Amino acid sequence: AQSVSQHNHHVILSEAASLELGCNYSYGGTVNLFWYVQYPGQHLQLLLKYFSGDPLVKGIKGFEAEFIKSKFSFNLRKPSVQWSDTAEYFCAVKSGPENGGSQGNLIFGKGTKLSVKP
Amino acid sequence: DTEVTQTPKHLVMGMTNKKSLKCEQHMGHRAMYWYKQKAKKPPELMFVYSYEKLSINESVPSRFSPECPNSSLLNLHLHALQPEDSALYLCASSQGLAARETQYFGPGTRLLVL
Repeated sequence: AQSVSQHNHHVILSEAASLELGCNYSYGGTVNLFWYVQYPGQHLQLLLKYFSGDPLVKGIKGFEAEFIKSKFSFNLRKPSVQWSDTAEYFCAVKSGPENGGSQGNLIFGKGTKLSVKP
Repeated sequence: DTEVTQTPKHLVMGMTNKKSLKCEQHMGHRAMYWYKQKAKKPPELMFVYSYEKLSINESVPSRFSPECPNSSLLNLHLHALQPEDSALYLCASSQGLAARETQYFGPGTRLLVL
């Protein structure tokens, strides 16, 4: 079955520390990759996305992610976190019909809760 | 404006009640979605509408009945729910169903079934 794995359930960092959240997916063909963030009490917001081209994508609020096809990974990074980055982070994948994906079916990982200590 | 609105924010209902969740977007998007999110779990797709027609039903029980009255509105009618249906129900929309389309999410309706 198609799946997305986020290895870290809960990450606790101090302000100014660097962040890397892992995401691996199980598809072998064309994939479209997304990172969403859910701040406490707020709705899911898109941080960044990758479809093709430069595997290093930059998103909002200083976040970036690198697509490594050979490792089936799309890890999220930020050089220096702030207290306001405290949130739940979801990696998500949409694959095409050739991978058994339904149109529009966005498959989420289980999420990583990030807590940043001031 | 990338806003998807949902009403109500919270809903408590008994197992014999009938209620409806509403979702609205004014971005001109032609695809709309319902997701269910249980506590500490990721969102799971329930239904997809494309051009006001049901495109995907992810084997959702018939006690959940979606409706798309027009391209801006999406409803989810609830009847005879079970306590295990308590969850956050998220609505989303996108320009279309293409894999590269970004889905924009609403704040959700938090449902409690007693």
